[in-house]
Amino acid sequence: GAVVSQHPSRVICKSGTSVKIECRSLDFQATTMFWYRQFPKKSLMLMATSNEGSKATYEQGVEKDKFLINHASLTLSTLTVTSAHPEDSSFYICSARAGDRQETQYFGPGTRLLVL
Amino acid sequence: GQNIDQPTEMTATEGAIVQINCTYQTSGFNGLFWYQQHAGEAPTFLSYNVLDGLEEKGRFSSFLSRSKGYSYLLLKELQMKDSASYLCAVLDSNYQLIWGAGTKLIIKP
Repeated sequence: GAVVSQHPSRVICKSGTSVKIECRSLDFQATTMFWYRQFPKKSLMLMATSNEGSKATYEQGVEKDKFLINHASLTLSTLTVTSAHPEDSSFYICSARAGDRQETQYFGPGTRLLVL
Repeated sequence: GQNIDQPTEMTATEGAIVQINCTYQTSGFNGLFWYQQHAGEAPTFLSYNVLDGLEEKGRFSSFLSRSKGYSYLLLKELQMKDSASYLCAVLDSNYQLIWGAGTKLIIKP
């Protein structure tokens, strides 16, 4: 089956630093990747949709200057949390959708970010 | 607006059967998904329904009624490892997943 990886799986950083999270589709080309965040005991919240080679589309309320998304290739998207603060601590999950499988998204294992 | 409703929490006994309901109101419909999510992990795919009816897959079955905007996930022969959150999500007209808040299922011995 389709595999999506995320790196790192867990990161602890100091307030004010930037953190980059990578999302890779390992055995398929992902024309579209999605970034979610999830707070404890809450459902997934879509942050942005990124299409390869174009700018990401951010959901309402998500600061695009704070959460930088780059989808440079068909197998890699990155999310950079700039000037992280404790309230950015969350579980970040990416998913990837193959161009020919519109109805299916494959999820990465998630990245747990803790900002001190 | 778009809305997906499912119970917050359910409790069931090991070996029993449980049905988790989901109702939805979305702009367009291109299918409904059920995902399982264990605490601290990413969701894993369970089922996808796009036509009315029941889809059976081992101990898990999923039902869809598009006219009623309703789906359920049926879990049989419950095992302790089935303790998890179950997320209902609908693919809308823009092929974007709209998520429910999830149902936390607690299995008791």
